Amino acid sequence: DQQVKQNSPSLSVQEGRISILNCDYTNSMFDYFLWYKKYPAEGPTFLISISSIKDKNEDGRFTVFLNKSAKHLSLHIVPSQPGDSAVYFCAASGNFGNEKLTFGTGTRLTIIP
Amino acid sequence: EAGVAQSPRYKIIEKRQSVAFWCNPISGHATLYWYQQILGQGPKLLIQFQNNGVVDDSQLPKDRFSAERLKGVDSTLKIQPAKLEDSAVYLCASSLDRGGEQFFGPGTRLTVL
Repeated sequence: DQQVKQNSPSLSVQEGRISILNCDYTNSMFDYFLWYKKYPAEGPTFLISISSIKDKNEDGRFTVFLNKSAKHLSLHIVPSQPGDSAVYFCAASGNFGNEKLTFGTGTRLTIIP
Repeated sequence: EAGVAQSPRYKIIEKRQSVAFWCNPISGHATLYWYQQILGQGPKLLIQFQNNGVVDDSQLPKDRFSAERLKGVDSTLKIQPAKLEDSAVYLCASSLDRGGEQFFGPGTRLTVL
């Protein structure tokens, strides 16, 4: 039972354009969502998070949007840079981050120079 | 500040053999996590420690997997005996406390032949 889904295994975007990565969840108890970035042979690193009391959180070039009614979140990267090429994982938790993280399967983002 | 250290980085064993992985978390981090990441999937939590006590081991296959964090610092994850389906990357992460940002190590890639 995949409670967190990332339906696009890969995405290619031109440098300078906007990258949009999507994530859907099924568990209504999830109220805290995170995005992690992973380079090859390294562990995931935390990128940005959002609590269910908000619908948008912004940090520099990265913005996460949450649509609770649709159980959907997205990560926007603008402008996209070559260093953004990585695998991006969406993760969800309950109790505002105090429950264990449930990860999606990841989306490989490739930025084309 | 040093990150989460893991060893070995790679391990190849035959099925039915035993294997152990070691993790040294970031200094001062009370919470330690072991994740299993099978190819094409997101990380799945195996066990979570708070200091030297187990918080969550609901997804740990206890008939063959064991983990300990005796002094509340470094930790060892053991598989005995290994099966083909245990081939995965084993990630260790730590956080300052429960619910805090998780910092991941580089992982140990296990191949079971």
